[in-house]
Amino acid sequence: AQSVTQLDSQVPVFEEAPVELRCNYSSSVSVYLFWYVQYPNQGLQLLLKYLSGSTLVESINGFEAEFNKSQTSFHLRKPSVHISDTAEYFCAVTNAGGTSYGKLTFGQGTILTVHP
Amino acid sequence: EAGVTQFPSHSVIEKGQTVTLRCDPISGHDNLYWYRRVMGKEIKFLLHFVKESKQDESGMPNNRFLAERTGGTYSTLKVQPAELEDSGVYFCASRITRGSPLHFGNGTRLTVT
Repeated sequence: AQSVTQLDSQVPVFEEAPVELRCNYSSSVSVYLFWYVQYPNQGLQLLLKYLSGSTLVESINGFEAEFNKSQTSFHLRKPSVHISDTAEYFCAVTNAGGTSYGKLTFGQGTILTVHP
Repeated sequence: EAGVTQFPSHSVIEKGQTVTLRCDPISGHDNLYWYRRVMGKEIKFLLHFVKESKQDESGMPNNRFLAERTGGTYSTLKVQPAELEDSGVYFCASRITRGSPLHFGNGTRLTVT
């Protein structure tokens, strides 16, 4: 069985401040890791993913996440947030092998609110 | 390309009634998933179709839920009879190949009163 814990349910920050959204996971097998974002009144969009290779992965809009196997973490960071980053962020994992690639286990979500 | 489309966007029904949710995946995506988020909880996997076949339905909560994907195109999720605890947002997602990301629809918000 797998589980994902997002340690903060809500994170308020001011515009241009740095932010870190924390994610820890538990799994007995190797995993792939994802961050999804849900903007208001929209579906979930993939922000970034770790499948293999470099443990630091980046998104096109300035977010990055680092896979830390020893600490079973996949924290999401951005050095300077914008108002438009206000959204709910979900960390998710899936088995790295087998046929269950799309069977995601999600964390509880973190609502990021960026204030002017 | 058109994204994953879900219909309706909102549904309010009374306990004991039947509701059918529909999902149109991206054309050519053989893999289709249903997920659900009950209020205040995490998003949970319900089931996975590969074309018209159920690959994994381990997340279906009980036999009041019936998912179909006739012809391997769109999928429906029927809840019959609906209970209060079925309220939540139902998401559909699709993908084309093993390594490709899931594309999610906007979800159907179901409220059972």
